[in-house]
This record gives sequence, structure tokens and C-alpha cells, in this order.
Amino acid sequence: GAVVSQHPSWVICKSGTSVKIECRSLDFQATTMFWYRQFPKQSLMLMATSNEGSKATYEQGVEKDKFLINHASLTLSTLTVTSAHPEDSSFYICRADKEGNEQFFGPGTRLTVL
Amino acid sequence: RKEVEQDPGPFNVPEGATVAFNCTYSNSASQSFFWYRQDCRKEPKLLMSVYSSGNEDGRFTAQLNRASQYISLLIRDSKLSDSATYLCVVGLSSNTGKLIFGQGTTLQVKP
Repeated sequence: GAVVSQHPSWVICKSGTSVKIECRSLDFQATTMFWYRQFPKQSLMLMATSNEGSKATYEQGVEKDKFLINHASLTLSTLTVTSAHPEDSSFYICRADKEGNEQFFGPGTRLTVL
Repeated sequence: RKEVEQDPGPFNVPEGATVAFNCTYSNSASQSFFWYRQDCRKEPKLLMSVYSSGNEDGRFTAQLNRASQYISLLIRDSKLSDSATYLCVVGLSSNTGKLIFGQGTTLQVKP
């Protein structure tokens, strides 16, 4: 089956630093990728929809200048958390859709900001 | 009001029990419906899609009532390995592929 990978799987960083998370579709091309965030005991919240070659569409309340999304190729989308703060600590999950709307989630990246 | 509402539980049941989860959604234009399973600190995994006619996959049965905007999941003969959080997920009517997740219902199956 299709596989979506994320790197890194976990990261600890100091407050004020930037962190880049990669999402790759390993055996299919994904024109659309989605980025979610999940805080403990809460549901997955969609942050943004990323389309290859164009600007991402952000959900209401998500700062586009803080969460930079780049979808440079059909197999790679990156999320950069700029100037991370402790409140950004969360589980970040990407999703890549195969043609025919099959949905595949990455294994997630656990970010801890000290 | 949340777009997708679930009772967070936890539901604690003995092995072999039958357990039912319910979910309601607020957007009447929703077009697709799913149950996902999420284990602790892992990504969600698709359990099954939900259709108006109802559908069954082994011990799992899902039902959709569009008039009441209500989705259910029934698990028969619970196994220890069924312990997880079950997420009710709704797809909106546009072609954006946007999915709205419920908070999840936690199930603990005990020996």
C-alpha cells in the first residue's frame, strides 16, 4: 500500500528556534497534502492545505507567517514552525491523498519546545 | 457547537462485550463519513468508511443516519487489541478533501 513518511518523528528544540518537518509520499504522487496538529486529548485540527506549485490555504486562526508550508514537488511538502514557542508543542501529522481520494496519513512528528 | 461531536469516554468494557459509539455532525452538506482508529502517540488509521446503507467489516458495523446527522460504530466480541481511540471523521461537500475530525472516543477493553 501507499506509504507516507515524516521526518523527524520527534524533535525537541529551544524556544525561538525554527523547526522544519518533512512529509513525503513514498510511492505515489500527491498533488494535495494536508497538515494537521493534535494537542493532547484533542482532535486533529486541520492547519492548512498544501497544493503542489501553489500557495497553501490556511485554516482560520492559523498564522501563515509562523507556519510556513512549501509543496515543491509532487512527493514532498514541508512545514516550518518559525520562532517556535512552548505553546507550539504538539503532534503534527501530514496527510497525502492519492488519485481517487485515497487518504494516507504520515506517522506524525512530535514537537516539544522548551 | 463542534462540527463533529463524540463522547470522549473512556468506555471500559470486558473482553467479549459489544460496545457502541455515536457521533453527530453539524454540517448537513457533509458528503463522506469515516471511522478512524488512533493508538496512543500514533497517526490515525482508517477503520472503515460509512455508507447510508450501513456497512459491516468483520466485528465492526457502521451506520449513517443523514436525517439525524448521526453516525455510529458497533464493535462486537471486543478484543484487548481493540483498545484505542476511535475518531469520527466527516468530509465536507467541496472537492478540497477537507476532513473534520471528532475528538475521539477512548475504548479500554479489559481481560
